[in-house]
Amino acid sequence: QKEVEQDPGPLSVPEGAIVSLNCTYSNSAFQYFMWYRQYSRKGPELLMYTYSSGNKEDGRFTAQVDKSSKYISLFIRDSQPSDSATYLCAMSAGSSASKIIFGSGTRLSIRP
Amino acid sequence: NAGVTQTPKFQVLKTGQSMTLQCAQDMNHEYMSWYRQDPGMGLRLIHYSVGAGITDQGEVPNGYNVSRSTTEDFPLRLLSAAPSQTSVYFCASSSGLSGNTIYFGEGSWLTVV
Repeated sequence: QKEVEQDPGPLSVPEGAIVSLNCTYSNSAFQYFMWYRQYSRKGPELLMYTYSSGNKEDGRFTAQVDKSSKYISLFIRDSQPSDSATYLCAMSAGSSASKIIFGSGTRLSIRP
Repeated sequence: NAGVTQTPKFQVLKTGQSMTLQCAQDMNHEYMSWYRQDPGMGLRLIHYSVGAGITDQGEVPNGYNVSRSTTEDFPLRLLSAAPSQTSVYFCASSSGLSGNTIYFGEGSWLTVV
């Protein structure tokens, strides 16, 4: 079993919809949780960064961590065609970049 | 504002050939790393470095060599290319102050035939 599980999709939703992307994990030591966005033929870019549990909001994006369920989510409100990309979750127990474990990514398509 | 720069973007190799993927960053980051990305496998760490002169193995180091002679550069060498090394390779860097904030390059698409 992988340490981090992520549904690969693809997920296709109409423009303006609320999108929910999720990851589950097995390592209870994970404390740092990240979401990366990766456009086609590009490198991943950090979208959201959360430490421990709770919610974090940045514009149309909300990251949610539920450590009791070992479950993290990324919500996108008022989705736009420009949000079409692959979204990767990532997490680690410590602050060293070498210990980050990435999910395999969910491909998201927003239909105009 | 270059960030992390990788070359080449695309490369086709024959089995057994060697090559070097170049990576440079202009953010004065101590930490640099190489990942490969394969369908359904996510990003897997190949090698990393926490500073000039220091390198270490990641999850999938076999078949790859690295060196770190300067803070800016972190080349990845394929010693004898195999079809299993067909992948997309990403170089990344981060500072010591915010270790979990990784900046990725644009990627290098490598095909071994």
